[in-house]
Amino acid sequence: EVQLVESGGGLVQPGGSLRLSCAASGFTFSAHAMSWVRQAPGKGLEWVSAISGSGRTTHYADSVKGRFTISRDNSKNTLYLQMDSLRAEDTAIYYCAKETVETYFDYWGQGTLLTVSS
Amino acid sequence: EIVLTQSPGTLSLSPGERATLSCRASQSVRSNNVAWYQQKPGQAPRLLIYGASTRATGIPDRFSGSGSGTDFTLTVSRLEPEDFAVFYCHQYSNSPHTFGRGTKLEIK
Repeated sequence: EVQLVESGGGLVQPGGSLRLSCAASGFTFSAHAMSWVRQAPGKGLEWVSAISGSGRTTHYADSVKGRFTISRDNSKNTLYLQMDSLRAEDTAIYYCAKETVETYFDYWGQGTLLTVSS
Repeated sequence: EIVLTQSPGTLSLSPGERATLSCRASQSVRSNNVAWYQQKPGQAPRLLIYGASTRATGIPDRFSGSGSGTDFTLTVSRLEPEDFAVFYCHQYSNSPHTFGRGTKLEIK
């Protein structure tokens, strides 16, 4: 059974930093690209970042480019999102999602909440 | 960036009725790379449809997807009480991935 478990969310002041983690199990982690997708309170879904299975290729939404860094440790089956220079508009539930070969998302974690506020 | 416009914003129907949800893209979606997800309150999205018309594993056959180019549709043939939720379309043809704003399907 595929499982994705996010952690690391919390309350951070504007300008602060935080790292999210996503522990994966039930599939060959290194064989799949992974993404982070966020959802602001009461709003829709926004793709944030993606990383290839090897970790060599990364992509970012313009809204987070230069502030967020996606990475993965295939030996630990874990995906990360380092978030710096946080803004109030980054407040959201952050989901990690497993990508298929075609790049749609077939499994999602339960999400972790980031709140950016002073 | 491909903008996806979903309509209606809210759809009020009764169990047993048929639901038709629309997703229109600002430009043609290559290879019909459109997926649909269902999200219930407090839960993560769940994949329903990919490739515009292929049901994901375990999805009941009352859910169907259709469309091509710029116009895509999700149909629920006979609504069950557990079907009421928010539905999102997603294009994964072009980078960045984009989602529609969602259609809320509520009980009338």
